Amino acid sequence: TQLLEQSPQFLSIQEGENLTVYCNSSSVFSSLQWYRQEPGEGPVLLVTVVTGGEVKKLKRLTFQFGDARKDSSLHITAAQPGDTGLYLCAGEGPGSARQLTFGSGTQLTVLP
Amino acid sequence: DTEVTQTPKHLVMGMTNKKSLKCEQHMGHRAMYWYKQKAKKPPELMFVYSYEKLSINESVPSRFSPECPNSSLLNLHLHALQPEDSALYLCASSQVRGSSYEQYFGPGTRLTVT
Repeated sequence: TQLLEQSPQFLSIQEGENLTVYCNSSSVFSSLQWYRQEPGEGPVLLVTVVTGGEVKKLKRLTFQFGDARKDSSLHITAAQPGDTGLYLCAGEGPGSARQLTFGSGTQLTVLP
Repeated sequence: DTEVTQTPKHLVMGMTNKKSLKCEQHMGHRAMYWYKQKAKKPPELMFVYSYEKLSINESVPSRFSPECPNSSLLNLHLHALQPEDSALYLCASSQVRGSSYEQYFGPGTRLTVT
């Protein structure tokens, strides 16, 4: 069974601070997706990383896929209250490429 | 357009009721999924349909019965549920983009079993 460990589980910061969320596994994933979910809504896809060492930027969010494709990180600069939500990483696999393995999630609260 | 729609938004049902959740996508995706999600936890996969055929059933109790009438629609029939089945039920669909599959989620149905 492939497992994704996500840390921290909870994070409460002030507006304007920077933060990093980590997603780690002992297994290799062919790709990894990051989602943000707000209360009562479905997860919204933020980015997909595919190549080892890949870095993608989405405004103030920077996503990195580890060289060995076993880990990933999400860095947010100058966090804003609108960034509040549950952040989920999800690795593609095992077996069928149509199945995702989700991390445990990081609940981020950005205080004004 | 990456929209997956789900109805109803909220559902309250008794343990003897029969109800159905509906999901629709018009993105031409050929894989569709049902997930169950408890508060502040990640989604748990229940079923996967690939080309309208059930390909994965994650040992879900028979009181949950999925159905895929066509490539755009996915239903989840509910019967004799238990209070612990109360959760957010999410539908998703996936396409191929490059070398990876990307899943797009609907807004979910908040189910309460009384």
